Amino acid sequence: DAGITQSPRHKVTETGTPVTLRCHQTENHRYMYWYRQDPGHGLRLIHYSYGVKDTDKGEVSDGYSVSRSKTEDFLLTLESATSSQTSVYFCAISESGGVGNQPQHFGDGTRLSIL
Amino acid sequence: GQNIDQPTEMTATEGAIVQINCTYQTSGFNGLFWYQQHAGEAPTFLSYNVLDGLEEKGRFSSFLSRSKGYSYLLLKELQMKDSASYLCAVSNQAGTALIFGKGTTLSVSS
Repeated sequence: DAGITQSPRHKVTETGTPVTLRCHQTENHRYMYWYRQDPGHGLRLIHYSYGVKDTDKGEVSDGYSVSRSKTEDFLLTLESATSSQTSVYFCAISESGGVGNQPQHFGDGTRLSIL
Repeated sequence: GQNIDQPTEMTATEGAIVQINCTYQTSGFNGLFWYQQHAGEAPTFLSYNVLDGLEEKGRFSSFLSRSKGYSYLLLKELQMKDSASYLCAVSNQAGTALIFGKGTTLSVSS
């Protein structure tokens, strides 16, 4: 199994509070991703990183920010959480992005509830 | 932009064969991926197609037609453990990330 650890695995918090989710990899892969998964919407890309300090937006990036100060860590921050951000968040890693026979591998997910 | 369509749900019986279709529209094609996701778990990689034709991997096969923007995942000799969601994904325009379809939930009954 790919060495990907997400923390925390579960979190309940209140509207308006800041929340940071962490993704840690031991594979030294260049690309890291944050997705959210909601019923009826599937997996949607929030942000991704293609190297240290190099990040780009996905299709649902509003309300989220990311940082990657080390190859192995990719942080997702909700500056002021809203109930619409209640979701399951998955981190993924890849050697080559979306090109070539190098699939993305996923972490176990973080279940975030915002009350 | 990208657009991916899959049926929402399918049902089948143990031992049968099922075909899950995926149609896509993309401005730059770099390959198509299939993932399996059991309820409450992370997606896991099943197959990758970049050239037209059929790729076989045990009970699972995946087919691609680039001219038609069409792929299917074929599952043979269905087992109860194959009950899961199956996700089709293609690369974004920059070739740096995957865009996923909404997934097809397959229920296998005895």
